[in-house]
Amino acid sequence: EAQVTQNPRYLITVTGKKLTVTCSQNMNHEYMSWYRQDPGLGLRQIYYSMNVEVTDKGDVPEGYKVSRKEKRNFPLILESPSPNQTSLYFCASSLPDGRGGYTFGSGTRLTVV
Amino acid sequence: LAKTTQPISMDSYEGQEVNITCSHNNIATNDYITWYQQFPSQGPRFIIQGYKTKVTNEVASLFIPADRKSSTLSLPRVSLSDTAVYYCLVAFKAAGNKLTFGGGTRVLVKP
Repeated sequence: EAQVTQNPRYLITVTGKKLTVTCSQNMNHEYMSWYRQDPGLGLRQIYYSMNVEVTDKGDVPEGYKVSRKEKRNFPLILESPSPNQTSLYFCASSLPDGRGGYTFGSGTRLTVV
Repeated sequence: LAKTTQPISMDSYEGQEVNITCSHNNIATNDYITWYQQFPSQGPRFIIQGYKTKVTNEVASLFIPADRKSSTLSLPRVSLSDTAVYYCLVAFKAAGNKLTFGGGTRVLVKP
């Protein structure tokens, strides 16, 4: 089954403790992206990647890092999480021009206390 | 500024047709227009995608005028389970392929 898999689904952590949210896709998609979703603010893009070793900032990249060492994986790294990064995070992938649409993961609900 | 604009919300009744219009003034020649449905705490789910004119699948139709500066998602005969947020998405290549979600339209289907 074609899918985007995010882990973990739920995470509670403390301020300043580094964490990584993993994202993996099995569709050989070049394009991958991370979003956060907050009440009243919709889906906002954090980072995206057009291919291996190619990443770029979205609208809200501050406090986040990403890497794209393999085509299938696009982890989101929070080096020093803060409470304002408490949010619902989604990973997505697609063909480079978006043809066929974007496939989203099931989401990771992160709480930073 | 690459941006999409949709109505914030709309109400409908079971069995009616729902039409949601999205404006995307800065769309470029090669940009696709894609619509998604999202239920609370779930990832957006692909509904339909189009490039120009009209596209229809088993769940919706998408109408795109010749200038492509807007698009309309049409949901025929909605049911209570169609209550969700609907997003219009355009990958604005002029903005480096950034995916710009509009604010979404919250559709409430009433009995």
